[in-house]
Parts: sequence; C-alpha cells; structure tokens
Amino acid sequence: ILNVEQSPQSLHVQEGDSTNFTCSFPSSNFYALHWYRWETAKSPEALFVMTLNGDEKKKGRISATLNTKEGYSYLYIKGSQPEDSATYLCAARGNAGNMLTFGGGTRLMVKP
Amino acid sequence: ETGVTQTPRHLVMGMTNKKSLKCEQHLGHNAMYWYKQSAKKPLELMFVYNFKEQTENNSVPSRFSPECPNSSHLFLHLHTLQPEDSALYLCASSRQTGQGREEQYFGPGTRLTVT
Repeated sequence: ILNVEQSPQSLHVQEGDSTNFTCSFPSSNFYALHWYRWETAKSPEALFVMTLNGDEKKKGRISATLNTKEGYSYLYIKGSQPEDSATYLCAARGNAGNMLTFGGGTRLMVKP
Repeated sequence: ETGVTQTPRHLVMGMTNKKSLKCEQHLGHNAMYWYKQSAKKPLELMFVYNFKEQTENNSVPSRFSPECPNSSHLFLHLHTLQPEDSALYLCASSRQTGQGREEQYFGPGTRLTVT
C-alpha cells in the first residue's frame, strides 16, 4: 500500500484567484495517479487519471501535472470560482493489484 | 447522478444488530469497490470485486462481510459492529480494461452510526 500525502489540508482563496495544491507519493512502485473532486453532500467525481512522467491534463480551468520520478502531482485551478469549493482528492495506484490509496484531501473554499 | 446508487443513505444501528448496505451501478462496469471514510482520515479501500470475484481485501475485520451476486450489485453485510465503525461507506465502480487507468465512479455513500 502506497503512502499518499496531500498539502495543504485546507485553502481559502478569493474568487478570481488562481491556486494549486500538491499530491506526493512514493516514486517506486507507481502505476497511476487519480484526481477526484468531492463536493459536500455529493459523490466524488473523477477529474484526471495520469500514468506517464510529464503528463499534463486539462479540463476547463483545472489542470494537473505529474512527475513520477520525484513522486508528485500538482493540481492547478485558474481563476477560482465559488463553485470550485470542494475537497480535492488524489489517489495513487501501485504496480500490483487494483487498489487505490487516497491522500487526505485538500479542502478548497472560494469566497465570492 | 453518477450512475451508482447506494441505500440506505443513513443508518443507525446498535452493536448487536445485523444490517446490510446496498450498492447498484447502472454503467455496465465490471469492477466494484467498498471504501470507508472515518472522520479526519483518508478514504480507505475495503474490498474490490472484479467480475463478481473478490480480488482485494484490505485486512478488513470479519464483522464486515461483502457480497457481489453480479457485476451490477454489491452488498456489505454488517454484524456486531463497534462504535469506531461509524463512518461514511462509499461504493464505487469502474470498467476494468487491464490498462490500469480506469477512473472510478462513486455513489453518494451511506452514513453509518453505531450506537
């Protein structure tokens, strides 16, 4: 089972600010990195799945990068909006098995 | 709506009760998962089923008993639980292709309180 860490635990930003947060994981035995958004009272929703070093994915104002050699991924949100307020989870999958290990999440609050 | 439903949404049970959580996916997926989220802890995988066969058991106590009668339905049978088992239980599903890049689709969860 991998050890996945996310930072910061929580973040307050103003509407319009751009922000980013980090997910770190062991670089050995790595296979895939997932990002999910979890809004209060809703189900976690997949944002990205990345596997290759240097991968960069984008969905609207949200993008993510992956560095498998040093074991980290960044999630960026450009021009944050109140509807971006949610907990952002990352999860890593190792080479063996079908298990995702989740980080503790970054709780983002965007003030109007 | 993610295509994954869970019932009940809330459950209060005593330590001597037996209850079951139900999950159903309408996405044609072949893998289903149970996760547990305790207060202030990361989401933790409990069980994985692939084509109805259990492929992962993350050292879960035997008072939690999963059942997967077909690829669309997953149950978690609960008996003689402890108060520390109070948590949010999430079900998820995915379409396993062997490439390992499949995103998971989550249900809304069952909030369980053990008294």
